[in-house]
Amino acid sequence: EEQLVESGGGLVQPGGSLRLSCAASGFTFRSYAMHWVRQVPGKGLEWVAVISGSGGSTYYADSVKGRFIFSRDNSKNTVSLQMDNLRAEDSAVYFCAKVIVARFIDGAFDLWGPGTMVTVSS
Amino acid sequence: EIVMTQSPATLSVSPGERATLSCRASQSFSSNLAWYQQKPGQAPRLLIYAASTRATGIPARFSGSGSGTEFTLTISSLQSEDFAVYYCQQYNKWPYSFGRGTKLEIK
Repeated sequence: EEQLVESGGGLVQPGGSLRLSCAASGFTFRSYAMHWVRQVPGKGLEWVAVISGSGGSTYYADSVKGRFIFSRDNSKNTVSLQMDNLRAEDSAVYFCAKVIVARFIDGAFDLWGPGTMVTVSS
Repeated sequence: EIVMTQSPATLSVSPGERATLSCRASQSFSSNLAWYQQKPGQAPRLLIYAASTRATGIPARFSGSGSGTEFTLTISSLQSEDFAVYYCQQYNKWPYSFGRGTKLEIK
């Protein structure tokens, strides 16, 4: 069974850092681009970042560019989101998601994790 | 950035009836559009991709249509489990963007 599970969320002060991880299982991980999407509870979805299957290409939303770094370890079937200089507006549930088509960076998200909550507050 | 506008924000429909949800894009593109369903406390679930292709395991009562700037999700006969929030998403151009959602509620 295909599965994604996020971890690493928690409470952090403004200006602080946090590292999220997403563990994948049940599919050929290295063949699929992965994304992060976030959602303020009760609000809509915001795309955050994408990484290609090889890890060689990444793209970020303007709201996180220069502060977040998306990486992957295909030997461990995990992706990570290093979040620095966090702001109150980064508070949200963070989901990792898999692209539906192998070897394409573009595409809809056919598998999502349950999410991990990040709260930025003093 | 492509702005996705969903309407209505809330749709009240009786079980067994048809629901039609709309999504408009600020720029035209062919078919790189997806629809997701989200229930409280859960992650979104992919329903439709490429504007009209049902994802694996999605019942035939869900259908998608449209191209250019106008897209539609139709649920032909609403079941109790279909009452949820629905989001459209364009994956035609970076940054990807979602609509604000349509809440489908029981009438």
